[in-house]
Amino acid sequence: DAGITQSPRHKVTETGTPVTLRCHQTENHRYMYWYRQDPGHGLRLIHYSYGVKDTDKGEVSDGYSVSRSKTEDFLLTLESATSSQTSVYFCAISDRDTGELFFGEGSRLTVL
Amino acid sequence: GQNIDQPTEMTATEGAIVQINCTYQTSGFNGLFWYQQHAGEAPTFLSYNVLDGLEEKGRFSSFLSRSKGYSYLLLKELQMKDSASYLCAVMDSNYQLIWGAGTKLIIKP
Repeated sequence: DAGITQSPRHKVTETGTPVTLRCHQTENHRYMYWYRQDPGHGLRLIHYSYGVKDTDKGEVSDGYSVSRSKTEDFLLTLESATSSQTSVYFCAISDRDTGELFFGEGSRLTVL
Repeated sequence: GQNIDQPTEMTATEGAIVQINCTYQTSGFNGLFWYQQHAGEAPTFLSYNVLDGLEEKGRFSSFLSRSKGYSYLLLKELQMKDSASYLCAVMDSNYQLIWGAGTKLIIKP
């Protein structure tokens, strides 16, 4: 199994507060991704990274920012959380640009 | 627009065979993936098809027809542990994965 962990696993916060989710990998994979998963929707890409300090937006990037200062860590920040950002967030890694992803356990975020 | 369609839910009986279909319309095609996701857990990779035909892996097989924009996942000798959601995803011309909403498979004894 790929070494990939997310923290926190569960978080409840209030509207307007900043939130940071962390993804940590021990596999030295180049590509890292943040997805959100909501009922009735497929996984939706928020942001991804193809190397240290190299990031790009996905299809649902509004309200989110990311940073990757080290190969092993990819941070997702909600600058000012809204109720529409209540979701399960998955981090994923890949060692090549072919699509086989290894996912973290997920972080369940509730914004009240 | 890009679109992946798969049934929302299917029910099958333990020991039987079930086929989960996936149709897609994407900007380009660089492969189709199937992932399994148990409730409350992360998705895990099942199969990858980039050429037409059937790929077999134990009790699971995946089929692809690029001309028809169609794939299916075939599960044989169903076990209770196969109760999960099955996600279809297509890699488009920009090497981005487009995901279906998933098919929840319920296995009954």
